[in-house]
Formats: sequence, structure tokens, C-alpha cells
Amino acid sequence: DQQVKQNSPSLSVQEGRISILNCDYTNSMFDYFLWYKKYPAEGPTFLISISSIKDKNEDGRFTVFLNKSAKHLSLHIVPSQPGDSAVYFCAASAQGGGYNKLIFGAGTRLAVHP
Amino acid sequence: KAGVTQTPRYLIKTRGQQVTLSCSPISGHRSVSWYQQTPGQGLQFLFEYFSETQRNKGNFPGRFSGRQFSNSRSEMNVSTLELGDSALYLCASSPQATNTEAFFGQGTRLTVV
Repeated sequence: DQQVKQNSPSLSVQEGRISILNCDYTNSMFDYFLWYKKYPAEGPTFLISISSIKDKNEDGRFTVFLNKSAKHLSLHIVPSQPGDSAVYFCAASAQGGGYNKLIFGAGTRLAVHP
Repeated sequence: KAGVTQTPRYLIKTRGQQVTLSCSPISGHRSVSWYQQTPGQGLQFLFEYFSETQRNKGNFPGRFSGRQFSNSRSEMNVSTLELGDSALYLCASSPQATNTEAFFGQGTRLTVV
């Protein structure tokens, strides 16, 4: 039962343009969402997060949008750079659990080309 | 501040053996969690420790176990290794007790032959 879904396994974007990565979730108890970037054979790197009390959070080139009614979030990268090429994971957690446990999506491989 | 450190980085073991992986969290972080990454299953939660107590465990067999020490360092152990245990094992530490970002180490690549 996939509680966090990233339906696009890959995305190709031209350098300088916007990259939009999407994520859907099914568990209405999730109230904290995160995006991670991962290179092969390395651990995921935390990028940005958003609490369910907000609908947008921005950090430099990265912006995360949350639509609670649709159970959907997205990560916007503007402008995209070749160094952004990596696998991006969406993750979610539920505060009511009383512990730190992230449920990850399957990931989207982003390729930024010149 | 030093990041999360995992040792060893690479490990090759034979079926039936057991293995212990080590994780040193970021200084001041008391929450340590472990994840398994495989091509087929993605990133799967193994367990989480906070102040030496296991607070939650994922859907893995009892061959997977862990512990946390008073200095927040953690170890995970896999006994009676199977070929399917080959994976990247990732440790993460978190600055708060709940609902917070997790900072990952580089992982231990375990190969079972």
C-alpha cells in the first residue's frame, strides 16, 4: 500500500527553465512533508519541508506547494541547473505517531540538460 | 558540525552470516532512524530510536534489530543474512523528537553473496 506516490519516474528539463516534481499522498494523518535529493551511492540530502498548516514554503530556488484537499504537493526548482540532476524523493510523516518515521515515494529522476 | 557518519561504507558478507552496522548522529540529535534502500522497494523504514528506546519498527523480520547507546550512537544488526538483504542501509538523525527533518548519512552498501 503506497501511501506516498511519485507517479513520474523521470523528468527532463532544459537548463534555466522550471522543474516541477509532483507527489501525492493517501494518508490524511500526514502533516509534515519533505523533499530530498539523492545522488547514487549517497544518502539523501534534505532540501525543503512544509507543515500542513502552510500551503507554500520557499528557500532560494526551491519552493514547495501543498494542496491538502487534493493530498498533493509539488516541488518547483527555478531556474533549473545541471547540478540539480539527481533523484528527488518526496517524504511524509505524521506527528501523532510520537516518533520520527518518514514514508518515502519511489522517487523522480530529474535530468537538467543544456 | 559534523554530519551523520556511518561505518563501514561497504561490506560483503556470505549468506547465513550476521552483520553489524554503526551510525554516529549529528551532535545533539537524540533521534536516530534506519532505512533500507533497494531498487525494487525504494526507501523503507526499519526502526527509530530516541534516548535509547526503540519507538517504532517497520515491517521487517526479527532478523533485523538495533540499539542506541547513551551517547545517541546507534547500531543495527542483521542476523542469518539472505541474498535479499543486499541493499544500501541508511541512518538518519533528527534534531527533534517528532515531525522534523531527518539528516542522512552516506549509507552502508551491504552485499550478501
